[in-house]
Amino acid sequence: AQSVTQLDSHVSVSEGTPVLLRCNYSSSYSPSLFWYVQHPNKGLQLLLKYTSAATLVKGINGFEAEFKKSETSFHLTKPSAHMSDAAEYFCVVSDGGGTASKLTFGTGTRLQVTL
Amino acid sequence: NAGVTQTPKFRILKIGQSMTLQCTQDMNHNYMYWYRQDPGMGLKLIYYSVGAGITDKGEVPNGYNVSRSTTEDFPLRLELAAPSQTSVYFCASSPGANYGYTFGSGTRLTVV
Repeated sequence: AQSVTQLDSHVSVSEGTPVLLRCNYSSSYSPSLFWYVQHPNKGLQLLLKYTSAATLVKGINGFEAEFKKSETSFHLTKPSAHMSDAAEYFCVVSDGGGTASKLTFGTGTRLQVTL
Repeated sequence: NAGVTQTPKFRILKIGQSMTLQCTQDMNHNYMYWYRQDPGMGLKLIYYSVGAGITDKGEVPNGYNVSRSTTEDFPLRLELAAPSQTSVYFCASSPGANYGYTFGSGTRLTVV
C-alpha cells in the first residue's frame, strides 16, 4: 500500500520569500513521486517528478523538490514566491509495482502569496 | 494538440437521473483514469483502463460505470445520480508507468 501525507493544509508567504511545502510518503516499492499544481477552477498541471534518478528534481516555474529516502520526504521548494504561485499543490506517489501506474494523491496544500 | 478533453464542463442533475461524462485524448496513451475531487480530500480514483477493452475499479467505483471501446475515449457513466456524487470529475491519461498524468480541465457536477 502507498500513501502520502501533506503536512500543511494551508501555507501563506509574502511575495519574494521562500516557499516550502512539505510531503511525506509511504510506499512498498521504490516510489515515483510527483508534485502537481492546480490553479482555481483549473485542471492539474505536472510541476515535477522523481523516478529514481537524481534526488534533487527541478521543475517548471522555478520549483524544485528533493527526494530523501531516509526521511521518506519529498518537500517542494521555491527560492522566491510570486503572486502567480498562489494555487493548490498536490504531492502524489505512484504505485510503481502495478501495471496501471495508479497515483495516490495527498489532500493538498493551499499556497497563499501576499504582497 | 488538444491533450485530454472533457465534456461537459458543468452539469446539474436531479436525483435519480443518469448521465455520461465524456473524455477523449489524442496522445495515443494506453492508460486512462477517472478521478473525483472533493474539498479537502484530494483526488480519489474511480476507474482506470490500461487499454481498449480493459477496465478496472479504483478506490471509489460504486455508482459509476466505464467502458473503453477505443484508445481515445473513456466515458464515465452515472446511472442513478445521488447527492453524494456532487463533485469535480477529472479524466487523465498516461503513456505508462512513472510518466505522470495529463489531466483534462474537469467536469463540475452537482446533484440536487
